[in-house]
Amino acid sequence: AQSVSQHNHHVILSEAASLELGCNYSYGGTVNLFWYVQYPGQHLQLLLKYFSGDPLVKGIKGFEAEFIKSKFSFNLRKPSVQWSDTAEYFCAVNSHNAGNMLTFGGGTRLMVKP
Amino acid sequence: GAGVSQSPSNKVTEKGKDVELRCDPISGHTALYWYRQSLGQGLEFLIYFQGNSAPDKSGLPSDRFSAERTGGSVSTLTIQRTQQEDSAVYLCASSRDYYSNQPQHFGDGTRLSIL
Repeated sequence: AQSVSQHNHHVILSEAASLELGCNYSYGGTVNLFWYVQYPGQHLQLLLKYFSGDPLVKGIKGFEAEFIKSKFSFNLRKPSVQWSDTAEYFCAVNSHNAGNMLTFGGGTRLMVKP
Repeated sequence: GAGVSQSPSNKVTEKGKDVELRCDPISGHTALYWYRQSLGQGLEFLIYFQGNSAPDKSGLPSDRFSAERTGGSVSTLTIQRTQQEDSAVYLCASSRDYYSNQPQHFGDGTRLSIL
């Protein structure tokens, strides 16, 4: 069975600080990887995804994530956060070519202080 | 519609009552998914539909939970004899189909509170 771990449950940063949120997954096969974001009062939105190819994936709003297969990781990064990045971030995986059901991590609440 | 629509947005009910949650997916999306977001437990997959078919119901928490989808569009998630542990936000998502790795689009959810 798949599982996803997000080690940071709460992160507090000041504006302009750099961000890295950890995500590790457990699965024996090939996976697709996702980061979703949930802004306060809004629905989950896709930030970025990795299916294959270049392991460094760029998403919306200046976010990027790097797939490191040997570490089973897909960490999310942003060089300089803004107050508007305050949200909850979810890492998710599904099996490549085996259906679209997502397994989510527990989420990381990010608060950016102005 | 433009996005996934869920109703009601909030539901408060007494323990033991039945509740029905509705999801209207994006037009043309054949795959539909139900998730539950509980405090302290993150997002939990419940069930998916490809068309009107739900091949795997093992993610449903108990036999009090059931889901159906008719006409390949709207889906309802029914919880019978609700318990306090059923309190959560129930999220619906849809995608083009189940096997093509298309991203899922989520609705705003139904916040269910069992008194």
